[in-house]
Amino acid sequence: KQEVTQIPAALSVPEGENLVLNCSFTDSAIYNLQWFRQDPGKGLTSLLLIQSSQREQTSGRLNASLDKSSGRSTLYIAASQPGDSATYLCAVSYNQGGKLIFGQGTELSVKP
Amino acid sequence: NAGVTQTPKFRILKIGQSMTLQCAQDMNHNYMYWYRQDPGMGLKLIYYSVGAGITDKGEVPNGYNVSRSTTEDFPLRLELAAPSQTSVYFCASRKAGAIHQETQYFGPGTRLLVL
Repeated sequence: KQEVTQIPAALSVPEGENLVLNCSFTDSAIYNLQWFRQDPGKGLTSLLLIQSSQREQTSGRLNASLDKSSGRSTLYIAASQPGDSATYLCAVSYNQGGKLIFGQGTELSVKP
Repeated sequence: NAGVTQTPKFRILKIGQSMTLQCAQDMNHNYMYWYRQDPGMGLKLIYYSVGAGITDKGEVPNGYNVSRSTTEDFPLRLELAAPSQTSVYFCASRKAGAIHQETQYFGPGTRLLVL
C-alpha cells in the first residue's frame, strides 16, 4: 500500500534555529513530491514541488530534498521565525493525474 | 483572480440529511479535486475530475457524489449524512500541461459537523 509518513507529529523550536522536517514514502516510484503549509483553520499553500528526476528545490529560506531510492524527503527551514509556525504536509503523486497521497503533517511551533 | 472558493464555510447537518458543498475556480484549471481532512490526519482524496464531464473516484468515495458540468465548478454531494462524514473538506485545482504547472491550489475549506 502506498503510504506517506511524517515524523515528528509536532516540533517546537526557538526562533533562529535551523530545522529539518522529515517525510518518508513506501513506494519509491513517485512522479513528484510536494510540501505544503497549512495555517490553523485555513487551506493548504504549496511551498515546493520536486519532480522525480530532481534532487532538491529551493525557495527563500526553504530547501526540499528528495532521495527516491530511500523513499525520503526533507524540508529544511533556515533561521526559523515565529511566522513559520504552521502545519507542514508532505504529499506524493504517482502519475500525471495529480492524485496526491498525504502524510499526517508536522505541526511546527517557533517560539520567540 | 479569486482562486479556489468554497461555500459554505461551516455547516451542521443532522444524520440522514443531504447537502451540496460548492467549489469554484476562476483560473481555467482542467483538474479539480475533493479531499477530506480528519483531525490530526493528512488529506484523503474523495473524487477528482480531469475536465468537464469527466470524474473519477479517489481513495474514499463512499457516501459522496460529484458532477462537473463546467470547467469552473465542481460540487460535492453528500447523500444521507453520517457522523463519519464529520470532517473538513477541501477543494483543489491545477492546470494540466507543463510540469511546472502541476502545483495544486486549495480552497479555504468547508467544516462539516454531522450530529
